[in-house]
Amino acid sequence: GESVGLHLPTLSVQEGDNSIINCAYSNSASDYFIWYKQESGKGPQFIIDIRSNMDKRQGQRVTVLLNKTVKHLSLQIAATQPGDSAVYFCAEIGGGTSYGKLTFGQGTILTVHP
Amino acid sequence: NAGVTQTPKFQVLKTGQSMTLQCAQDMNHNSMYWYRQDPGMGLRLIYYSASEGTTDKGEVPNGYNVSRLNKREFSLRLESAAPSQTSVYFCASSERRIYGYTFGSGTRLTVV
Repeated sequence: GESVGLHLPTLSVQEGDNSIINCAYSNSASDYFIWYKQESGKGPQFIIDIRSNMDKRQGQRVTVLLNKTVKHLSLQIAATQPGDSAVYFCAEIGGGTSYGKLTFGQGTILTVHP
Repeated sequence: NAGVTQTPKFQVLKTGQSMTLQCAQDMNHNSMYWYRQDPGMGLRLIYYSASEGTTDKGEVPNGYNVSRLNKREFSLRLESAAPSQTSVYFCASSERRIYGYTFGSGTRLTVV
């Protein structure tokens, strides 16, 4: 079936480094992608989104890149801080029969060491 | 300024017992959703309600029922709990799909 998945389940970085979290998706009909951050014991929090007609979108310290040719999504976090430690999920909202429904990938655990 | 509120936060059930998880949002969103999250996995959609008066099955609806009581409230019911339903349950709401979802803080359910 259609799915959104991640290449790396865990990522450890030093404080101040840049982090890159990757995601592969398989539904070519998906036209909207979101990155969520989930801290322990909390629900997912919206970080940044991107539409399929864009290649790149920047937020505060975060950048999302979308490569539709290879169905790949990445989240870049600049100057990573200990407070960025969390599980990061990519998610897609598909077109067609999946209209409006959010499908999540497995998640990447980001650990930031002081 | 509560966003999405879920109750209870924790619950332990015996196999075969029933219970209802409550969810309410104060953002006047049209769409509401119930997800479950198992260890080491992403969230999987159980049921959703695109608008008041409608409900539809998601990816894993078996063993669950839902009620969209009004625009604010969307409840999830387990009629006969099973250990396989041990999970963390998240409710979410959205106004339009392109703006993403707002999630509640979750209900941690254990079925023994």
